[in-house]
Amino acid sequence: EVQLVESGGGLVKPGGSLRLSCAASGFTFSGYTMNWVRQAPGKGLEWVSSISSSSSFIYYADSMKGRFTISRDNAKNSLYLQMSSLRAEDTAVYYCAREVSYSSSYYFDYWGQGTLVTVSS
Amino acid sequence: SYELTQPPSVSVSPGQTASITCSGDKLGDKYASWYQQKPGQSPVLVIYQDTKRPSGIPERFSGSNSGNTATLTISGTQAMDEADYYCQAWDSSTYVFGTGTKVTVL
Repeated sequence: EVQLVESGGGLVKPGGSLRLSCAASGFTFSGYTMNWVRQAPGKGLEWVSSISSSSSFIYYADSMKGRFTISRDNAKNSLYLQMSSLRAEDTAVYYCAREVSYSSSYYFDYWGQGTLVTVSS
Repeated sequence: SYELTQPPSVSVSPGQTASITCSGDKLGDKYASWYQQKPGQSPVLVIYQDTKRPSGIPERFSGSNSGNTATLTISGTQAMDEADYYCQAWDSSTYVFGTGTKVTVL
């Protein structure tokens, strides 16, 4: 059974930093591109970042560039998101999601339960 | 940047058909996916590659995509289908989600 379990969320002050983790199991982690997607309270889904299976290709949403860093450790079956210079508008539930790509089709077939990040003084 | 627009809400009576639209420039030239999200839960993929259903998703969920509009159709809507629905497409190495539609089963 595919499982994605996020951790590392919490309360952080504006300007602070936080590192999120996602532990994967039930599939060959090293064979998949992984993503972070967030959802602010009462709002819609917003894609954050993606990292290819070997970390060769990394992409960020424009509003996260320069502040967030995605990484992975295939030996530990883990995905990470290092967040810095956090702002109130970064307050959200952060989901880890597995990407499937096939013939120009890209989508997320499994999602974690999410971890809440609250940026507040 | 690419944008996908959905109606904020759709209401449907039990047993009837609900149609949720997703509009974007030349969306029909891309693949659309759809996610269902119930309160307090993570999103669940219900349609991918415009028309395909993952295993475990009921046949009453179907999708289409042409021109500038993708559509998710729920036939014979049940109370358990009440949720938020998001379309999604991929454009220039980034994922784009629609604005979301709340489906209410009255």
